[in-house]
Amino acid sequence: ETGVTQTPRHLVMGMTNKKSLKCEQHLGHNAMYWYKQSAKKPLELMFVYSLEERVENNSVPSRFSPECPNSSHLFLHLHTLQPEDSALYLCASSQDWGLPNQPQHFGDGTRLSIL
Amino acid sequence: AQTVTQSQPEMSVQEAETVTLSCTYDTSESDYYLFWYKQPPSRQMILVIRQEAYKQQNATENRFSVNFQKAAKSFSLKISDSQLGDAAMYFCAYSQHSGGSNYKLTFGKGTLLTVNP
Repeated sequence: ETGVTQTPRHLVMGMTNKKSLKCEQHLGHNAMYWYKQSAKKPLELMFVYSLEERVENNSVPSRFSPECPNSSHLFLHLHTLQPEDSALYLCASSQDWGLPNQPQHFGDGTRLSIL
Repeated sequence: AQTVTQSQPEMSVQEAETVTLSCTYDTSESDYYLFWYKQPPSRQMILVIRQEAYKQQNATENRFSVNFQKAAKSFSLKISDSQLGDAAMYFCAYSQHSGGSNYKLTFGKGTLLTVNP
């Protein structure tokens, strides 16, 4: 059983819709991450939260809006997306942020398709 | 900027045989971490093995071992006695050792491994 749970597993939305991706970690970790995984491209780090504060924003368009209400939950709010935003969105967590010797634990991802 | 290159988009291996996945990286740092992550068809990415650059001994985890060549900036993954459950996408990743505000995992594009029965 994964310690990082993402919902929904699949999401199809139109370009004008508003939806949210949810991530929950049950590992007692302090850092959480959003990644975008597109076909034949390396994973792209989007956002990092440490102790509920955003510490990294990798030049992500404003149509992606993260929220971290507590250290166990992370959301990615989506609005007015483009077809190129179709991808697998992965959530990850680690015990702390900024310590490279700590592995990241990943969820199963949300497969997002923009019509 | 650090980059990670996996030159083999796809590999295949017969069950019970050995396969080696290649990874090269580019960095100006002298100390860093290297990782291999596995992403099976169920999509949950899990850590397979980790190597600290200042350690000369190659890391080993059961049937998984690495060949770390620091001068060549090469970090290959060897899977011995391949099993059907090893079929997955394998990602090589790098992070600098110092961490802090510059901490970031940089991933390669991945190698899709097929295991043939």
